[in-house]
Amino acid sequence: EVQLVESGGGLVQPGGSLRLSCAASGFMFSDYYMDWVRQAPGKGLEWVGRSRNKAYSYTPEYAASVKGRFTISRDDSTNSLYLQMNSLKTDDTAVYYCARDNTGTYDYWGQGTLVTVSS
Amino acid sequence: DVVMTQSPLSLPVTLGQPASISCRSSQSLVHSDGNTYLNWFQQRPGQSPRRLIYKVSNRDSGVPDRFSGSGSGTDFTLKISRVEAEDVGVYYCMQATHWPRTFGQGTKVEIK
Repeated sequence: EVQLVESGGGLVQPGGSLRLSCAASGFMFSDYYMDWVRQAPGKGLEWVGRSRNKAYSYTPEYAASVKGRFTISRDDSTNSLYLQMNSLKTDDTAVYYCARDNTGTYDYWGQGTLVTVSS
Repeated sequence: DVVMTQSPLSLPVTLGQPASISCRSSQSLVHSDGNTYLNWFQQRPGQSPRRLIYKVSNRDSGVPDRFSGSGSGTDFTLKISRVEAEDVGVYYCMQATHWPRTFGQGTKVEIK
């Protein structure tokens, strides 16, 4: 059974940093691209970034709204995806989901982890 | 970025009646590989999104056959043939043809 479990969310002050993790199981993690998608309270879904797989040199991509502040990485040996968030703004307050990319779709999502940026 | 526009944004429906959600894209979603990467997701209250439909009309396993997707080019529709109580939630379309992926604003389905 495919499972994605996010962790690491919490309350952080503006300008602070946080590192989210996504633990994957039930599939060959190293084969897949993995994305982060966020949802601000009461709002819609917003793509945040992507980690490609080893075949594509783990090349990341970022939304314009987070580029230069967020860094995506992964560890295929532990089936883990990470999102390092620096210089956090109040607009970054959201539930952050990791999602498995499967050729033009997200076929599995985690349960999400809430990040609150507030003083 | 491709703009995805859903309508209506709120959809009150009587149990057992049909419902229809429209999703329009600002550019054609036909990919150079010939596929149209238009997805529909359901988000029940307090839950994470769940895929219902991929590539316009392919229903996920376990998704009731009362859900169907159709459309082409820039114009797509999600239909629920007979709404049940468990269908309450927000429905999102998402395009994955163009980079970056973009979502519609969401359509909230509720029971009258």
